[in-house]
Amino acid sequence: EVELVQSGAEVKKPGESLKISCKGSGYSFDSYWIGWVRQMPGKGLEWMGIIYPGDSDTTYSPSFQGQVTISADKSISTAYLQWSSLKASDTAMYYCARLLSGRYSSFDYWGQGTLVTVSS
Amino acid sequence: QSVLTQPPSASGTPGQRVTISCSGSSSNIGSNFVYWYQQFPGAAPTLLIYRNNERPSGVPDRFSASKSATSASLSISGLRSEDEADYYCAAWDDSLSGVVFGGGTKLTVL
Repeated sequence: EVELVQSGAEVKKPGESLKISCKGSGYSFDSYWIGWVRQMPGKGLEWMGIIYPGDSDTTYSPSFQGQVTISADKSISTAYLQWSSLKASDTAMYYCARLLSGRYSSFDYWGQGTLVTVSS
Repeated sequence: QSVLTQPPSASGTPGQRVTISCSGSSSNIGSNFVYWYQQFPGAAPTLLIYRNNERPSGVPDRFSASKSATSASLSISGLRSEDEADYYCAAWDDSLSGVVFGGGTKLTVL
């Protein structure tokens, strides 16, 4: 059974750094693209970027390029989303999700979400 | 402002058929597959429809979808109270080089 398990909720202060994780199981982790999706409180879904764990090829949405870093460690079947300096506007739920079939597709399996709260 | 346009809300009574529209452009819906997601409050989205009109195993055949040119639609027949959720369309966008989502439609079962 395909499963994506994300790290727990985080409460951070503006300016702090953060790295959240997403561990895949039940499939060949390095053979499927993994992406990150932001959902701000009460709002819709926003595609942030994707990574191919097999070779770490990464594509970012222009809206998130330079704001976050997506990485993966295929040896432990885990993808990451990180910030070097958080802002209050980064407060949101973040989902990782697996792409159905190649980079030009959308997501089939989703993680449970990681709530990030940034507040002074 | 989402790249794909959905009505913010839709409603129906139990047993009715409801249709949710999703409008895009030649760079997304017009040239790529459409996906639909269902999201309950406090939960992660789940895949409802993939490749325009395919249902993952476990999704009831009450859910169907279609695509024509730069628009797509999701239909739910035999509406049930448990269908009350947010629904999102999505597609790869060749110009933006990423997946674009609709703004979501909140379905209320009256």
